[in-house]
Amino acid sequence: EPEVTQTPSHQVTQMGQEVILRCVPISNHLYFYWYRQILGQKVEFLVSFYNNEISEKSEIFDDQFSVERPDGSNFTLKIRSTKLEDSAMYFCASITRGGTGELFFGEGSRLTVL
Amino acid sequence: GIQVEQSPPDLILQEGANSTLRCNFSDSVNNLQWFHQNPWGQLINLFYIPSGTKQNGRLSATTVATERYSLLYISSSQTTDSGVYFCAALSGGYQKVTFGTGTKLQVIP
Repeated sequence: EPEVTQTPSHQVTQMGQEVILRCVPISNHLYFYWYRQILGQKVEFLVSFYNNEISEKSEIFDDQFSVERPDGSNFTLKIRSTKLEDSAMYFCASITRGGTGELFFGEGSRLTVL
Repeated sequence: GIQVEQSPPDLILQEGANSTLRCNFSDSVNNLQWFHQNPWGQLINLFYIPSGTKQNGRLSATTVATERYSLLYISSSQTTDSGVYFCAALSGGYQKVTFGTGTKLQVIP
């Protein structure tokens, strides 16, 4: 069964450092998402991406965050200067092209900012 | 935006018991999914169920879209069912999926 893959599974970084989280969505999917989950809390929407541009973003997704699809497969989330409160699990997800709308998630990247 | 509320927030069950988890959403949805978050933090797809009823083993789900709620049934619960259950609603096209507040389930032997 096709799946969304994310790397790294866990990253530890120092406050102020840049972090890039990578995702490979399912190949025929066109809509991509990043979500965040702070430990013990709900899963929060960060950003959606379609046709090589952001289609919607939440208030969490400020200027420290950016997304891009540098090639035909990878979808990345960059945090420019990490803060302690960026420590969370980050999930990438994708949806089929105008089909069922079923959302498929990757296994997550756990980010720890020290 | 759409609001998604789940109940109960916490649930403790004896192994073998049955339970019903509820998800209410404030607006019409294109898609409703249930996920189980395991102890390692992974989100496991349980059901894609914008309407109707589906069953998968000991789990089943029903969504009544016109009344804006969905139910997840767990029968003969096992300790491996422990974790957090989330529902998530897709509304307004493909821009955003909103997660519910979650139900934390603990099944004790």
